Amino acid sequence: TQLLEQSPQFLSIQEGENLTVYCNSSSVFSSLQWYRQEPGEGPVLLVTVVTGGEVKKLKRLTFQFGDARKDSSLHITAAQPGDTGLYLCAGTTSGTYKYIFGTGTRLKVLA
Amino acid sequence: NAGVMQNPRHLVRRRGQEARLRCSPMKGHSHVYWYRQLPEEGLKFMVYLQKENIIDESGMPKERFSAEFPKEGPSILRIQQVVRGDSAAYFCASSPSGHMDLFLSTQYFGPGTRLTVL
Repeated sequence: TQLLEQSPQFLSIQEGENLTVYCNSSSVFSSLQWYRQEPGEGPVLLVTVVTGGEVKKLKRLTFQFGDARKDSSLHITAAQPGDTGLYLCAGTTSGTYKYIFGTGTRLKVLA
Repeated sequence: NAGVMQNPRHLVRRRGQEARLRCSPMKGHSHVYWYRQLPEEGLKFMVYLQKENIIDESGMPKERFSAEFPKEGPSILRIQQVVRGDSAAYFCASSPSGHMDLFLSTQYFGPGTRLTVL
């Protein structure tokens, strides 16, 4: 069974702090997505990464795909209350389209 | 540019009734996926459809669940004789292409239908 483990599960920080969320697996993924989900809503796509070692930036968010394509990280600089939400990573393995979702990291940024 | 639309957003059914969940993909998308999210759990793949075809239903229970994506109209996820364990959020996602192109197969999610079985 392919699993994507996310850590930490819960994170509560003060506004202005930096944080990193991790997404790890023993499987190799051909693509990996990061989503943010707010209560009562569907996951909203943040980024797709496909190349080992790839780094993508989205304003204060930096996404990295591991060299071996087994892990990924999301770093948020100077977190704001609007960053509060459930962060999910999801991956596909070669030749498949099923997204395998991570266990999620629930982030709360306090003003 | 409307996103993926799902309705109803909330659905309450009594045990034994039928639930019909509808999904309209994004404009230009012909691939639809259904996922289920149980409370405090991640999303689990159920079924993948293209127009008029079920490509993979390996994640969908064999009893009581069915899905379709007709030539015209939305994709439908149908649950017959619902039980309390069916209570969950059901999400539909769509993509412009299948798995051969990693970017064009990126899935965009709808807001979900929250099913409550009494």
